[in-house]
Amino acid sequence: QKEVEQNSGPLSVPEGAIASLNCTYSDRGSQSFFWYRQYSGKSPELIMSIYSNGDKEDGRFTAQLNKASQYVSLLIRDSQPSDSATYLCAVNDNTDKLIFGTGTRLQVFP
Amino acid sequence: DGGITQSPKYLFRKEGQNVTLSCEQNLNHDAMYWYRQDPGQGLRLIYYSQIVNDFQKGDIAEGYSVSREKKESFPLTVTSAQKNPTAFYLCASSRGGGENSYEQYFGPGTRLTVT
Repeated sequence: QKEVEQNSGPLSVPEGAIASLNCTYSDRGSQSFFWYRQYSGKSPELIMSIYSNGDKEDGRFTAQLNKASQYVSLLIRDSQPSDSATYLCAVNDNTDKLIFGTGTRLQVFP
Repeated sequence: DGGITQSPKYLFRKEGQNVTLSCEQNLNHDAMYWYRQDPGQGLRLIYYSQIVNDFQKGDIAEGYSVSREKKESFPLTVTSAQKNPTAFYLCASSRGGGENSYEQYFGPGTRLTVT
């Protein structure tokens, strides 16, 4: 059974701080990794994709991938209250399916 | 505007009735998916389709049925055999196959309540 694990949180950070969200996965054959943001009552929104070991930056977001250790993380710099949401990690093994974690709830307080 | 639409946004049904949820996309994506999300839980795959007139069961297909007669459309029927149908239903699509093509994009969702 392929699994994606995330700490459910909540992760509370002050406004302006760096929020660090982590995800581990069980399948060593996984090739593609995704972070989704889901606001309460809304559908998930894709915010980052990463395919190679290392860091990928997009604005305030940085995704980090370490395939040897089977983890992927998302850093949010200069966190804002509008970043408060649940962040879902998803993993793909080059099939057409994604395996989702249960998400980490992030709270950014002023 | 390209995107995925789901209708209706909220749906209320009596127990024992079948109900069909609509999902349409104009992204020219080959693959489409149906997920279910329960409070505090992750997304669970119900059915997916990689090509017109073909679809595969996901992890929790029992009590559900789908069709894929057109590339743009992938309706989901929740039958009376589904024991706990009340949930948030999400439709997604992806290009399917090839580099960077496994990114899935979601519609706004349908919140189904069965009483």
